[in-house]
Amino acid sequence: ETGVTQTPRHLVMGMTNKKSLKCEQHLGHNAMYWYKQSAKKPLELMFVYNFKEQTENNSVPSRFSPECPNSSHLFLHLHTLQPEDSALYLCASSQEFQETQYFGPGTRLLVL
Amino acid sequence: AQSVTQLDSQVPVFEEAPVELRCNYSSSVSVYLFWYVQYPNQGLQLLLKYLSGSTLVESINGFEAEFNKSQTSFHLRKPSVHISDTAEYFCAVATNYGGSQGNLIFGKGTKLSVKP
Repeated sequence: ETGVTQTPRHLVMGMTNKKSLKCEQHLGHNAMYWYKQSAKKPLELMFVYNFKEQTENNSVPSRFSPECPNSSHLFLHLHTLQPEDSALYLCASSQEFQETQYFGPGTRLLVL
Repeated sequence: AQSVTQLDSQVPVFEEAPVELRCNYSSSVSVYLFWYVQYPNQGLQLLLKYLSGSTLVESINGFEAEFNKSQTSFHLRKPSVHISDTAEYFCAVATNYGGSQGNLIFGKGTKLSVKP
């Protein structure tokens, strides 16, 4: 369960704030993913990084900005968010792109 | 485009009763199927997966799922549930495992509530 860690676990921010979510995987994987989990909606894939290169941006608004400095770390930079962006943000990793994904515990984000 | 339907948003059962969580998918190409479980305040954990071979796959904690191509289903079953099985279960489909296309598509989830 500690293979993929996410910090912070909970975050409350105003619409004018700038914050960052961090994901770290200790599994030696090459691909990392950001998902958004909202109430009563399926998980939405946001971004995919494969060997530090972004391979997918699933029509995510520019107020979400991912960064992958190396294959073990993934960040999601947040700025000028909206209340509807409140959700659980999940990070996942896989050995190779599109192989079995292992998830972190998520960051519960509340935008006021 | 692929889609996943989990018909039941909530399934309440009593402890030691059998349970089936339904999952249907739509796809015009071959699929790979997954069940993930999310315990309260935790991330998703892979429960079991079907990639190829035997259509019946099992997890280490007594769950099993059967891939039925003709019915486009991948229902999850357990003959006798425990209180600790209380969680939300997500079915997911991918169309190209290990390739460059076909991200995981998730269903909306089914909340399993096991009562004593």
